[in-house]
Amino acid sequence: DSGVTQTPKHLITATGQRVTLRCSPRSGDLSVYWYQQSLDQGLQFLIQYYNGEERAKGNILERFSAQQFPDLHSELNLSSLELGDSALYFCASSVTVLFNSGANVLTFGAGSRLTVL
Amino acid sequence: KNEVEQSPQNLTAQEGEFITINCSYSVGISALHWLQQHPGGGIVSLFMLSSGKKKHGRLIATINIQEKHSSLHITASHPRDSAVYICAVVPETSGSRLTFGEGTQLTVNP
Repeated sequence: DSGVTQTPKHLITATGQRVTLRCSPRSGDLSVYWYQQSLDQGLQFLIQYYNGEERAKGNILERFSAQQFPDLHSELNLSSLELGDSALYFCASSVTVLFNSGANVLTFGAGSRLTVL
Repeated sequence: KNEVEQSPQNLTAQEGEFITINCSYSVGISALHWLQQHPGGGIVSLFMLSSGKKKHGRLIATINIQEKHSSLHITASHPRDSAVYICAVVPETSGSRLTFGEGTQLTVNP
């Protein structure tokens, strides 16, 4: 157990639907990152939150949104789902914003596997 | 061309062999990560490097910032090392986002 909890582990839904993925960061970590891993595009950074505020945005579609709550857990909302949204969605957390610091460990959750039929 | 290139894409080795996975990148970076992804999908951060060399057990990671190149070495490989190894960089222009390589699928046969 990495300390980063993601739910659900698996999710099957239909095109056009909306889903919410949840992430609880490791205790003490203030920064949460969301990544998407699809078969054709590999791992891609979606968005980052730090202590409740959005800090960086990557290749996140307008149909997707995220937020980080006061208790530091984060949710990734995916709407108007398309077949191409089928992927593994990873959450990761770190203590600070800049995880290029030697003291700042990046910890991944086990991922949420989304299948859109 | 991807900003992060890994080689080889696939690697098959016999147990006990010395393994090297290479990562080249084209942008200035502040750090580089090596990640391991197990067949079940989980990702573990192995190393974070900004210079020099790091060692953890049978794993060694090196980076040459001037040449924009990093290597991950596995000594005395074991079947449990079978996984996808992913190189990811932190571009200097971004303090927080990772840019990932496509990964190297390593299979170690007994």
